[in-house]
Amino acid sequence: KNEVEQSPQNLTAQEGEFITINCSYSVGISALHWLQQHPGGGIVSLFMLSSGKKKHGRLIATINIQEKHSSLHITASHPRDSAVYICAVTRSGNQFYFGTGTSLTVIP
Amino acid sequence: DAGVTQSPTHLIKTRGQQVTLRCSPKSGHDTVSWYQQALGQGPQFIFQYYEEEERQRGNFPDRFSGHQFPNYSSELNVNALLLGDSALYLCASSYGTGNSEAFFGQGTRLTVV
Repeated sequence: KNEVEQSPQNLTAQEGEFITINCSYSVGISALHWLQQHPGGGIVSLFMLSSGKKKHGRLIATINIQEKHSSLHITASHPRDSAVYICAVTRSGNQFYFGTGTSLTVIP
Repeated sequence: DAGVTQSPTHLIKTRGQQVTLRCSPKSGHDTVSWYQQALGQGPQFIFQYYEEEERQRGNFPDRFSGHQFPNYSSELNVNALLLGDSALYLCASSYGTGNSEAFFGQGTRLTVV
């Protein structure tokens, strides 16, 4: 069983919709990360969380340490948000454990 | 300020050959981690280098080896390539080995034929 589980695996939304991607983990962590990967392959860090909530533009990330659960929300989605969103956790030593990702397609 | 740079971007090798991939960390970073991402999968941790030593290692065979140079850049070497080694290889750099933000390179797409 993977230490990090994401849902859904694939998500299609209409432009303007509110999107939620969920992540649960089963191990003790130092931090939880939300990452974005475009078809070219490079990964961009969106958020690093150890508690509470963070907001950056139209993106919001929350984490519940007790429930070992995090969510990534995208408000007013846009086609340029189409990408794979990956939840990952770090434990000691800054080693990442990745989920399998959520492939998001936003249709105009 | 350059971010994490990886070379080459794409590579095709024949089964049984050896390959070397390179990574230059973001300025100010001293720790380099390597990940393998098979198609449709999340990245898997290969190993991490800090102070020119391998500090942590994932579940990869000894065919996968690495090196870190005094300028913190790193190489990933894979010997006796198998078809299953075809993947995107990602490098991530960070400062120290504690809990700090990591930056990823664009990756090297390796195809073994």
